[in-house]
Amino acid sequence: AQSVAQPEDQVNVAEGNPLTVKCTYSVSGNPYLFWYVQYPNRGLQFLLKYITGDNLVKGSYGFEAEFNKSQTSFHLKKPSALVSDSALYFCAVRDGNAGNNRKLIWGLGTSLAVNP
Amino acid sequence: NAGVTQTPKFRILKIGQSMTLQCTQDMNHNYMYWYRQDPGMGLKLIYYSVGAGITDKGEVPNGYNVSRSTTEDFPLRLELAAPSQTSVYFCASSGPGTNQPQHFGDGTRLSIL
Repeated sequence: AQSVAQPEDQVNVAEGNPLTVKCTYSVSGNPYLFWYVQYPNRGLQFLLKYITGDNLVKGSYGFEAEFNKSQTSFHLKKPSALVSDSALYFCAVRDGNAGNNRKLIWGLGTSLAVNP
Repeated sequence: NAGVTQTPKFRILKIGQSMTLQCTQDMNHNYMYWYRQDPGMGLKLIYYSVGAGITDKGEVPNGYNVSRSTTEDFPLRLELAAPSQTSVYFCASSGPGTNQPQHFGDGTRLSIL
C-alpha cells in the first residue's frame, strides 16, 4: 500500500540554524514527491517536487529537499531558518507509474517552530 | 492572477441544513479536488474530477456530493449537515502533465452546531 510518514509532529529550531523536516514514503512504482507549506488560515502552497534527475531539488523560499531512493526518504531542508518559516509542512507522494491517476498520498504534517 | 477561489470563507450551519461550498479556478486546469482537513489528521480526499462532466469518489465521500458542469467550477454540496462534517474544506486544481503540483484555495471553515 502507498503511504507517507512524517515521523515528527513538531520540529523546533533556533533562527539562523539549519532545519530538517523528515519524510519517508512507500509506493509501488516510481515516486513523484512533493512538499507543501501551510501558513495559518491559508491554503497549502507548493514548495518543491522531485520527479526524476538530481537527488537534490531546490524550491521556493530557500528550501531544498534530498531524495534518497535506498532510504525511501525525501527530507526538506533549509540552511538557515527564519522566524517566518514557522508553519505546517506536508509531504505528499504519488506513483509515477499510475498513469492519469493524479491522487496524492499525504503525510499528516509537521509543525515547524522557528524561535528568535 | 486569482488561482483557486473558494467561497464562503466561514460558515456556521445547524444540524440538518444544507449548503454548497463554491470553488472556481481560472487556470484552465482539468483536474480538481476537494479535501477536508481536521486537526492532526492531514488531508482527506472527498471527491475529485478529471474534467467537465466527470467526477469520482475519494477516501471520504459519504455525506457529500459534487458536480462539474464547467472546467472552472467544482462545487461541493452538503445535503444534511452533521457535526462530524465540521472541518476546513480545501479545493485544489492541477494542470496537464502527470508531475504537476496541486494549487489550493484558502479554504472554507465550516462549523455545524
